[in-house]
Amino acid sequence: AQKVTQAQTEISVVEKEDVTLDCVYETRDTTYYLFWYKQPPSGELVFLIRRNSFDEQNEISGRYSWNFQKSTSSFNFTITASQVVDSAVYFCALSEAERDDKIIFGKGTRLHILP
Amino acid sequence: AAGVIQSPRHLIKEKRETATLKCYPIPRHDTVYWYQQGPGQDPQFLISFYEKMQSDKGSIPDRFSAQQFSDYHSELNMSSLELGDSALYFCASSLNQNIQYFGAGTRLSVL
Repeated sequence: AQKVTQAQTEISVVEKEDVTLDCVYETRDTTYYLFWYKQPPSGELVFLIRRNSFDEQNEISGRYSWNFQKSTSSFNFTITASQVVDSAVYFCALSEAERDDKIIFGKGTRLHILP
Repeated sequence: AAGVIQSPRHLIKEKRETATLKCYPIPRHDTVYWYQQGPGQDPQFLISFYEKMQSDKGSIPDRFSAQQFSDYHSELNMSSLELGDSALYFCASSLNQNIQYFGAGTRLSVL
């Protein structure tokens, strides 16, 4: 069965600090996709990244970076030099690549960036 | 760029009433997904449609039904509403079942 675990329910850091959000997943499929979505207080779900199971390259996009490690079934997300606008709930998610019909979300990590 | 449009954005209903939520996918997207997010919860998959046919089904109550129309928009119909149906309902769309882009959601309150 598919499962996504985000062990950190809530994190608070002071602005400009770096913060890493952890994500561990379970799947029996050899081909799958991993995602991160951001949900700000306004409620919408903002797509951040999708990574397929064959691409273990780390990715950097501005202040955001992602570390995919298949050996530990982890897909962690780091925000460098955090800003107050980064305050949101962040969801890690998983889907089967073949059908990609549904996304299984983790419970989310609520991130507070304190000024 | 055009995004997924959901209407209405907010809806207030009483118990046992019916509600219809609408979703207009990104132009040329052929797949629509519905998710339900309860207060403080993660989004849960309800149902999806590919080329107007149901493609997958999650934990959608029998009181709910959905369809995708010829213009690819989709409607989620909810009957005999219960207090527990109060949630944020997201629609997402994709092309060829690729990356799902989410709408802003419809916040349903059942009183």
